[in-house]
Amino acid sequence: DAGITQSPRHKVTETGTPVTLRCHQTENHRYMYWYRQDPGHGLRLIHYSYGVKDTDKGEVSDGYSVSRSKTEDFLLTLESATSSQTSVYFCATQMGPGANVLTFGAGSRLTVL
Amino acid sequence: DQQVKQNSPSLSVQEGRISILNCDYTNSMFDYFLWYKKYPAEGPTFLISISSIKDKNEDGRFTVFLNKSAKHLSLHIVPSQPGDSAVYFCAASGNSGGSNYKLTFGKGTLLTVNP
Repeated sequence: DAGITQSPRHKVTETGTPVTLRCHQTENHRYMYWYRQDPGHGLRLIHYSYGVKDTDKGEVSDGYSVSRSKTEDFLLTLESATSSQTSVYFCATQMGPGANVLTFGAGSRLTVL
Repeated sequence: DQQVKQNSPSLSVQEGRISILNCDYTNSMFDYFLWYKKYPAEGPTFLISISSIKDKNEDGRFTVFLNKSAKHLSLHIVPSQPGDSAVYFCAASGNSGGSNYKLTFGKGTLLTVNP
Protein backbone atom coordinates (compact mmCIF):
# COMPACT_ATOMS: atom_id res chain seq x y z
CA ASP A 1 0.00 0.00 0.00
CA ALA A 2 1.36 3.40 -0.98
CA GLY A 3 0.64 4.84 2.49
CA ILE A 4 2.71 2.31 4.42
CA THR A 5 6.40 1.74 3.85
CA GLN A 6 8.35 -1.02 5.54
CA SER A 7 12.13 -1.10 5.64
CA PRO A 8 14.19 -3.05 5.04
CA ARG A 9 12.17 -5.29 2.76
CA HIS A 10 14.70 -8.10 3.09
CA LYS A 11 17.34 -8.71 5.70
CA VAL A 12 19.67 -11.58 6.53
CA THR A 13 21.36 -11.47 9.90
CA GLU A 14 23.11 -13.75 12.34
CA THR A 15 21.88 -15.11 15.63
CA GLY A 16 22.49 -12.73 18.50
CA THR A 17 22.57 -9.53 16.49
CA PRO A 18 20.07 -6.72 17.04
CA VAL A 19 17.62 -5.94 14.28
CA THR A 20 15.23 -3.04 13.83
CA LEU A 21 12.39 -3.01 11.34
CA ARG A 22 10.75 0.27 10.49
CA CYS A 23 7.18 1.03 9.52
CA HIS A 24 6.36 4.46 8.17
CA GLN A 25 2.82 5.60 7.39
CA THR A 26 1.47 8.68 5.70
CA GLU A 27 -2.17 7.96 6.58
CA ASN A 28 -2.09 9.70 9.98
CA HIS A 29 -3.71 6.58 11.43
CA ARG A 30 -3.76 6.36 15.17
CA TYR A 31 -3.28 2.61 15.53
CA MET A 32 -0.32 0.63 14.25
CA TYR A 33 0.44 -3.08 14.48
CA TRP A 34 3.25 -5.54 13.90
CA TYR A 35 2.31 -9.05 12.80
CA ARG A 36 4.44 -11.98 11.79
CA GLN A 37 3.43 -14.56 9.24
CA ASP A 38 4.71 -18.10 9.43
CA PRO A 39 3.65 -21.26 7.59
CA GLY A 40 0.98 -23.07 9.55
CA HIS A 41 0.42 -20.12 11.87
CA GLY A 42 -1.16 -17.43 9.77
CA LEU A 43 -0.79 -13.87 11.03
CA ARG A 44 0.06 -13.41 14.68
CA LEU A 45 0.12 -10.11 16.51
CA ILE A 46 3.46 -9.13 18.07
CA HIS A 47 2.89 -5.62 19.41
CA TYR A 48 0.59 -2.75 18.69
CA SER A 49 0.35 0.97 19.36
CA TYR A 50 -2.73 3.01 20.11
CA GLY A 51 -0.95 6.36 20.01
CA VAL A 52 2.42 8.05 20.30
CA LYS A 53 4.39 6.38 23.09
CA ASP A 54 1.41 4.09 23.82
CA THR A 55 2.14 0.48 23.04
CA ASP A 56 1.04 -2.94 24.23
CA LYS A 57 1.89 -6.58 23.74
CA GLY A 58 0.26 -8.98 21.37
CA GLU A 59 0.14 -12.77 21.50
CA VAL A 60 3.78 -13.41 20.47
CA SER A 61 5.68 -10.49 22.01
CA ASP A 62 8.55 -12.37 23.67
CA GLY A 63 11.90 -11.31 22.22
CA TYR A 64 10.48 -8.16 20.63
CA SER A 65 10.18 -4.55 21.65
CA VAL A 66 8.58 -1.58 19.91
CA SER A 67 8.72 2.16 19.99
CA ARG A 68 6.54 4.91 18.60
CA SER A 69 7.97 8.37 19.06
CA LYS A 70 5.77 9.98 16.39
CA THR A 71 2.51 9.14 14.69
CA GLU A 72 4.03 8.08 11.40
CA ASP A 73 6.74 5.69 12.62
CA PHE A 74 6.49 2.36 14.45
CA LEU A 75 9.72 0.47 15.07
CA LEU A 76 10.04 -3.22 15.85
CA THR A 77 13.28 -4.29 17.51
CA LEU A 78 14.71 -7.74 18.02
CA GLU A 79 17.30 -7.15 20.74
CA SER A 80 19.11 -10.42 20.04
CA ALA A 81 17.78 -12.22 16.99
CA THR A 82 17.17 -15.97 17.10
CA SER A 83 16.47 -18.45 14.31
CA SER A 84 12.87 -18.77 15.54
CA GLN A 85 12.38 -15.13 14.58
CA THR A 86 12.98 -15.91 10.92
CA SER A 87 9.69 -14.78 9.45
CA VAL A 88 7.87 -12.27 7.31
CA TYR A 89 6.89 -9.23 9.31
CA PHE A 90 3.93 -7.06 8.39
CA CYS A 91 3.10 -3.64 9.66
CA ALA A 92 -0.51 -2.53 9.60
CA THR A 93 -2.40 0.65 10.40
CA GLN A 94 -5.94 1.34 11.49
CA MET A 95 -7.74 4.63 11.69
CA GLY A 96 -9.33 3.98 15.05
CA PRO A 97 -11.27 1.49 17.17
CA GLY A 98 -14.46 2.10 15.25
CA ALA A 99 -12.76 1.20 12.00
CA ASN A 100 -11.94 -2.48 12.02
CA VAL A 101 -10.16 -2.66 8.68
CA LEU A 102 -6.39 -2.86 8.83
CA THR A 103 -4.22 -1.70 5.97
CA PHE A 104 -1.02 -3.68 5.60
CA GLY A 105 2.42 -2.86 4.33
CA ALA A 106 4.25 -5.05 1.83
CA GLY A 107 6.19 -6.93 4.49
CA SER A 108 9.79 -7.37 5.63
CA ARG A 109 11.37 -10.77 5.18
CA LEU A 110 13.89 -11.50 7.93
CA THR A 111 16.24 -14.47 7.92
CA VAL A 112 18.24 -15.22 11.04
CA LEU A 113 21.11 -17.64 10.42
CA ASP B 1 -6.10 -21.61 21.91
CA GLN B 2 -6.97 -20.75 18.35
CA GLN B 3 -9.98 -18.45 18.32
CA VAL B 4 -10.33 -18.21 14.55
CA LYS B 5 -10.01 -21.44 12.62
CA GLN B 6 -9.65 -22.11 8.94
CA ASN B 7 -9.58 -25.86 8.79
CA SER B 8 -8.83 -26.20 5.10
CA PRO B 9 -5.21 -25.27 4.33
CA SER B 10 -5.90 -25.39 0.61
CA LEU B 11 -8.69 -25.47 -1.95
CA SER B 12 -8.57 -26.06 -5.68
CA VAL B 13 -11.42 -25.14 -8.05
CA GLN B 14 -11.97 -24.79 -11.76
CA GLU B 15 -12.30 -21.41 -13.37
CA GLY B 16 -15.91 -20.31 -13.55
CA ARG B 17 -17.05 -22.48 -10.66
CA ILE B 18 -17.83 -21.40 -7.12
CA SER B 19 -15.14 -21.21 -4.44
CA ILE B 20 -16.30 -21.59 -0.84
CA LEU B 21 -13.86 -20.79 1.94
CA ASN B 22 -14.88 -21.54 5.50
CA CYS B 23 -14.01 -20.06 8.86
CA ASP B 24 -15.07 -20.92 12.41
CA TYR B 25 -14.61 -18.88 15.56
CA THR B 26 -14.88 -19.67 19.24
CA ASN B 27 -14.99 -16.26 20.93
CA SER B 28 -18.60 -15.14 21.33
CA MET B 29 -17.40 -11.55 21.84
CA PHE B 30 -16.38 -11.30 18.20
CA ASP B 31 -18.89 -9.21 16.31
CA TYR B 32 -17.08 -8.07 13.20
CA PHE B 33 -15.54 -10.35 10.63
CA LEU B 34 -13.26 -9.70 7.69
CA TRP B 35 -11.65 -11.54 4.83
CA TYR B 36 -8.24 -10.62 3.54
CA LYS B 37 -6.54 -11.80 0.38
CA LYS B 38 -2.79 -12.21 0.09
CA TYR B 39 -0.63 -12.70 -2.97
CA PRO B 40 2.98 -13.93 -2.62
CA ALA B 41 5.48 -11.22 -1.66
CA GLU B 42 2.71 -8.73 -0.96
CA GLY B 43 0.86 -7.61 2.15
CA PRO B 44 -2.68 -8.81 2.85
CA THR B 45 -5.40 -6.67 1.31
CA PHE B 46 -8.89 -6.21 2.66
CA LEU B 47 -11.55 -7.99 0.65
CA ILE B 48 -14.92 -7.91 2.38
CA SER B 49 -16.38 -7.71 5.87
CA ILE B 50 -19.57 -8.36 7.76
CA SER B 51 -21.01 -7.12 11.00
CA SER B 52 -22.75 -9.50 13.38
CA ILE B 53 -26.04 -7.67 12.84
CA LYS B 54 -26.10 -9.05 9.30
CA ASP B 55 -26.03 -12.56 7.92
CA LYS B 56 -24.89 -11.72 4.41
CA ASN B 57 -22.80 -9.11 2.66
CA GLU B 58 -22.16 -9.01 -1.04
CA ASP B 59 -19.60 -7.16 -3.14
CA GLY B 60 -19.51 -8.13 -6.78
CA ARG B 61 -18.34 -11.71 -7.10
CA PHE B 62 -17.67 -11.98 -3.37
CA THR B 63 -20.28 -12.81 -0.75
CA VAL B 64 -19.71 -13.45 2.93
CA PHE B 65 -22.26 -15.38 4.97
CA LEU B 66 -22.39 -15.34 8.75
CA ASN B 67 -24.09 -17.95 10.92
CA LYS B 68 -23.80 -16.62 14.46
CA SER B 69 -25.44 -19.57 16.15
CA ALA B 70 -22.89 -21.90 14.59
CA LYS B 71 -20.05 -19.37 14.95
CA HIS B 72 -19.29 -19.94 11.30
CA LEU B 73 -18.69 -17.73 8.30
CA SER B 74 -17.95 -18.45 4.70
CA LEU B 75 -16.68 -16.59 1.68
CA HIS B 76 -18.21 -17.41 -1.69
CA ILE B 77 -16.50 -16.39 -4.91
CA VAL B 78 -18.64 -16.72 -8.02
CA PRO B 79 -17.44 -17.15 -10.67
CA SER B 80 -13.89 -18.00 -9.67
CA GLN B 81 -11.10 -16.58 -11.81
CA PRO B 82 -7.41 -17.54 -12.04
CA GLY B 83 -6.52 -14.12 -10.57
CA ASP B 84 -8.35 -15.13 -7.41
CA SER B 85 -5.59 -17.62 -6.66
CA ALA B 86 -4.16 -16.42 -3.35
CA VAL B 87 -4.14 -17.10 0.37
CA TYR B 88 -7.36 -15.99 2.06
CA PHE B 89 -7.33 -15.05 5.73
CA CYS B 90 -10.39 -14.87 7.91
CA ALA B 91 -10.21 -12.34 10.75
CA ALA B 92 -12.42 -11.30 13.64
CA SER B 93 -12.66 -8.51 16.17
CA GLY B 94 -14.95 -7.13 18.85
CA ASN B 95 -16.54 -3.69 18.77
CA SER B 96 -17.01 -3.24 22.46
CA GLY B 97 -14.12 -0.83 22.84
CA GLY B 98 -10.98 -1.17 24.92
CA SER B 99 -8.54 -3.56 23.35
CA ASN B 100 -11.12 -5.48 21.37
CA TYR B 101 -10.41 -3.66 18.12
CA LYS B 102 -7.42 -5.91 17.45
CA LEU B 103 -7.93 -8.42 14.70
CA THR B 104 -7.43 -12.12 15.30
CA PHE B 105 -6.55 -14.02 12.15
CA GLY B 106 -6.98 -17.59 11.06
CA LYS B 107 -4.14 -19.57 9.52
CA GLY B 108 -5.31 -18.96 5.98
CA THR B 109 -6.53 -21.05 3.05
CA LEU B 110 -4.60 -21.24 -0.20
CA LEU B 111 -7.07 -21.02 -3.08
CA THR B 112 -5.94 -22.21 -6.49
CA VAL B 113 -8.22 -21.51 -9.45
CA ASN B 114 -7.31 -23.65 -12.42
CA PRO B 115 -7.91 -22.36 -15.97
